[in-house]
Amino acid sequence: GQQLNQSPQSMFIQEGEDVSMNCTSSSIFNTWLWYKQDPGEGPVLLIALYKAGELTSNGRLTAQFGITRKDSFLNISASIPSDVGIYFCAGKPDGNYQLIWGAGTKLIIKP
Amino acid sequence: NAGVTQTPKFQVLKTGQSMTLQCAQDMNHEYMSWYRQDPGMGLRLIHYSVGAGITDQGEVPNGYNVSRSTTEDFPLRLLSAAPSQTSVYFCASSYSIRGNYAYEQYFGPGTRLTVT
Repeated sequence: GQQLNQSPQSMFIQEGEDVSMNCTSSSIFNTWLWYKQDPGEGPVLLIALYKAGELTSNGRLTAQFGITRKDSFLNISASIPSDVGIYFCAGKPDGNYQLIWGAGTKLIIKP
Repeated sequence: NAGVTQTPKFQVLKTGQSMTLQCAQDMNHEYMSWYRQDPGMGLRLIHYSVGAGITDQGEVPNGYNVSRSTTEDFPLRLLSAAPSQTSVYFCASSYSIRGNYAYEQYFGPGTRLTVT
């Protein structure tokens, strides 16, 4: 089946650093979504992207829908302790109305 | 609005037992789905529904049944629990955009199931 490759798998960062993560697919997507999951909770939608090249911000978070329609990027600026958690990308391929999910990027802030 | 609610939050079953995981949403969403989440993996779709009376299989449906008698409720039944079904189960719902479903899903808090 279709798969998303999400990287990195985990990140150790210092508070205040900027963070980047990405997802790539083998097929063309028409929607990219970024979610965050806190421990013991369900995923919460952060940003939704619907057009190739689209760049959308939500506070310190910025996500982009890649021009090739096969990738998406999420950046977090000036990380703070509450940014820890698992970030998931999800995409909707052309011709399919089910979401495909990445395996997640675990963000850990070094003390 | 309560959003998407799930019960129970935790459950331990013995192999062969059956049970129903409850899911309800109060947002009048047409689309509802069940996922399982295992360590190091993304969410995998078990079953979904695009409206009352309509259900379909997802990526990993074996061992699970669903029904959708109302817009609000979408229970997941484990017919004969197996250790391989130990997982965290999430229910999600979504409205339709431009005639398409499964965008911008809203998730419940999850049910943590252990099968011994």
